[in-house]
Amino acid sequence: LAKTTQPISMDSYEGQEVNITCSHNNIATNDYITWYQQFPSQGPRFIIQGYKTKVTNEVASLFIPADRKSSTLSLPRVSLSDTAVYYCLVGDTGFQKLVFGTGTRLLVSP
Amino acid sequence: EPEVTQTPSHQVTQMGQEVILRCVPISNHLYFYWYRQILGQKVEFLVSFYNNEISEKSEIFDDQFSVERPDGSNFTLKIRSTKLEDSAMYFCASGDPSRGTNYGYTFGSGTRLTVV
Repeated sequence: LAKTTQPISMDSYEGQEVNITCSHNNIATNDYITWYQQFPSQGPRFIIQGYKTKVTNEVASLFIPADRKSSTLSLPRVSLSDTAVYYCLVGDTGFQKLVFGTGTRLLVSP
Repeated sequence: EPEVTQTPSHQVTQMGQEVILRCVPISNHLYFYWYRQILGQKVEFLVSFYNNEISEKSEIFDDQFSVERPDGSNFTLKIRSTKLEDSAMYFCASGDPSRGTNYGYTFGSGTRLTVV
């Protein structure tokens, strides 16, 4: 499983766009990039997944450059309720175990 | 939206006692998992379960742990003789093979286990 590196914490204000970058230099050809969100005392929640270029859903966008050695989760116009820990995971498709790192703790202030 | 349901939400037990944590996965899911998170630490994989047997387990999942799917709806984690260091949030997750990849992972809200 490819190792991931992401900032420990980030601060933002309501209404701003937040970009969280994850490095995964050893990503394998078959690996996908997946982001999860976790609120305090709750289980992780799937946000978005991608393989290359850009993926967008109703919650976020995921930007993946051509070399796939990094990825950026973009949260448009954050609100206080987006305060959470965001995890970047890299792995093959299928139903293997998820390996969580320490994640990025995002704090959104008024 | 379908949910993974875990009970109880909080359990306090004395060291050495047995506990059973219960999970009701999403009905058409076929892959089941237990994870745990010690306060302030990472979410850690414990065990995966498919086709009525364990498909993978971590080093944490030693002989004091067991899992069972006693009927068509429940998935349980048993800790035989709890230790203080077993205190953690325990999350159940299930996966839907028809959706593929990691879209299929849905986590429950967890059971907070406190061993005293």
